[in-house]
Amino acid sequence: GQSLEQPSEVTAVEGAIVQINCTYQTSGFYGLSWYQQHDGGAPTFLSYNGLDGLEETGRFSSFLSRSDSYGYLLLQELQMKDSASYFCAVITGANNLFFGTGTRLTVIP
Amino acid sequence: ETGVTQSPTHLIKTRGQQVTLRCSSQSGHNTVSWYQQALGQGPQFIFQYYREEENGRGNFPPRFSGLQFPNYSSELNVNALELDDSALYLCASAVSGGDTGELFFGEGSRLTVL
Repeated sequence: GQSLEQPSEVTAVEGAIVQINCTYQTSGFYGLSWYQQHDGGAPTFLSYNGLDGLEETGRFSSFLSRSDSYGYLLLQELQMKDSASYFCAVITGANNLFFGTGTRLTVIP
Repeated sequence: ETGVTQSPTHLIKTRGQQVTLRCSSQSGHNTVSWYQQALGQGPQFIFQYYREEENGRGNFPPRFSGLQFPNYSSELNVNALELDDSALYLCASAVSGGDTGELFFGEGSRLTVL
């Protein structure tokens, strides 16, 4: 089976940097993805790490360490619109994704 | 390019009934996955379809079944509904072989079981 752990809630100030950690246990690991979901909305893809290291996409970066079964999402220059839930998801093959329970990020002025 | 569309958006059923949810994949996508998302939780993988065959399944009982049609649209069927089946059901499409972890989700069908 799959098991993923994320902090349930994070609060950060507008303009700051926040890191959301994810640890996982799984078999058949292909990579780690991150999704954003606003209240009442659909999850939207943010990033994917198939190899160890850092991937950067604009204000968002994601990191993976396969040996530590650990990854994180880094959000820089936080904006109010970044308030949402963030999910890490392990890919076990054929784009079968298993999601964590999510981290609710609240950005305050 | 149209995105993933799901219907109905909301529905109410009673315990023991059956429900069918529908999904139209994004243009050019040939795999479709279904997820169940309870309130305050992450999406839980139900199954994936590719070439009209089930191509991966999560920890859901057989009363959850699906179909994929030649035009890549899909259905999720749930029999013998239980109260715990109340959730948002999300459909997601992708191009097979990518394994990039990038799925395109619809807005979901919110099912309430009374």
